[in-house]
Amino acid sequence: AQTVTQSQPEMSVQEAETVTLSCTYDTSESNYYLFWYKQPPSRQMILVIRQEAYKQQNATENRFSVNFQKAAKSFSLKISDSQLGDTAMYFCAFNSGGGSQGNLIFGKGTKLSVKP
Amino acid sequence: EPEVTQTPSHQVTQMGQEVILRCVPISNHLYFYWYRQILGQKVEFLVSFYNNEISEKSEIFDDQFSVERPDGSNFTLKIRSTKLEDSAMYFCASTSLGNEQYFGPGTRLTVT
Repeated sequence: AQTVTQSQPEMSVQEAETVTLSCTYDTSESNYYLFWYKQPPSRQMILVIRQEAYKQQNATENRFSVNFQKAAKSFSLKISDSQLGDTAMYFCAFNSGGGSQGNLIFGKGTKLSVKP
Repeated sequence: EPEVTQTPSHQVTQMGQEVILRCVPISNHLYFYWYRQILGQKVEFLVSFYNNEISEKSEIFDDQFSVERPDGSNFTLKIRSTKLEDSAMYFCASTSLGNEQYFGPGTRLTVT
């Protein structure tokens, strides 16, 4: 069974600095998808970034980028130039490569606080 | 930008009562999901739905739960006889063929 592990329950960062959130996963699949979701206090789940396992290039979305290490089964999220609005829970999620019908498996989340 | 919507935003019900949570997925999406998140815990998959039938369900999704797409737009989750432990945030999500699942804002269910 696939599992997703986020080993940092809480993190904090100063505004404008860079922070990296860790995620590891376990799977026997060769093709799959990885995601980071943001959940602010409103509890809405917002997609931040996605990575296809077959792509070697790390995904980037503006200030958000990932470090995808397939052999190590690691998928960390880097937030550059942190902003107060980045304060939220961040969930790493896995979806097997079986297409859109695959369900998401989530980690327990990392609570990120951005301090002024 | 199209978005998934859910109603109600907050539902309070007594133990043993039936509740129906409603979702309107993004209109051209084909796959629909329900997830739940007990307060302070991770998001857990309940069920996926495609082509008018359940495609996958978790062990949480027992006989007390059912899903339906009664018309071309709504996607509902019914809990027949609610228990205290059903108190959670329930999220609906949908996707087309791109694997990104787009979540609704959630319904907070409180069972008293």
